[in-house]
Amino acid sequence: GEDVEQSLFLSVREGDSSVINCTYTDSSSTYLYWYKQEPGAGLQLLTYIFSNMDMKQDQRLTVLLNKKDKHLSLRIADTQTGDSAIYFCAERTFYGGQNFVFGPGTRLSVLP
Amino acid sequence: EPEVTQTPSHQVTQMGQEVILRCVPISNHLYFYWYRQILGQKVEFLVSFYNNEISEKSEIFDDQFSVERPDGSNFTLKIRSTKLEDSAMYFCASSRDIYEQYFGPGTRLTVT
Repeated sequence: GEDVEQSLFLSVREGDSSVINCTYTDSSSTYLYWYKQEPGAGLQLLTYIFSNMDMKQDQRLTVLLNKKDKHLSLRIADTQTGDSAIYFCAERTFYGGQNFVFGPGTRLSVLP
Repeated sequence: EPEVTQTPSHQVTQMGQEVILRCVPISNHLYFYWYRQILGQKVEFLVSFYNNEISEKSEIFDDQFSVERPDGSNFTLKIRSTKLEDSAMYFCASSRDIYEQYFGPGTRLTVT
């Protein structure tokens, strides 16, 4: 079945770039998403990329997609303490209907 | 900016009781979803709802669960005869189309 994996923890210093990685198994994935979850809050949609794209940039966020390796990454430039949160990768597959399959989330800690 | 809201934020119930979790999706959205996240585990899809009927459901969504859109604004998840293993964070989401899903802050359900 479909599976999405992420490393569970990442620590960076304020001002550095953060790179959060995600791998997925389903080659029919059509859209891949990044969500952010702050403590006590819901899942906030950050950005998404269609599978026919390699890269998408939105202000400090850059998404890179390597379809061959089924690897997705989220780069946050100039990471701030307010970026500390859990980041979830999710996929929506061509055959998966309307539901998303989520990774376990990466907890990003930004150190001053 | 419009957002998905959920009530209550925390619900404590005894095993065997019925609970109803409530959601108000974003007003012009047509697709509605429930997901759950057991503590320390992945976010899992439960059910999607479109045009006043269930469009897709996962294996988790058995006869114990039901969903309803009782009026033009609310979307509810009913869990009958709750079990200890139903303790989780339940997220409602809505979308205008099949590409983006916007999540509410979640209801933490604790079954004792």
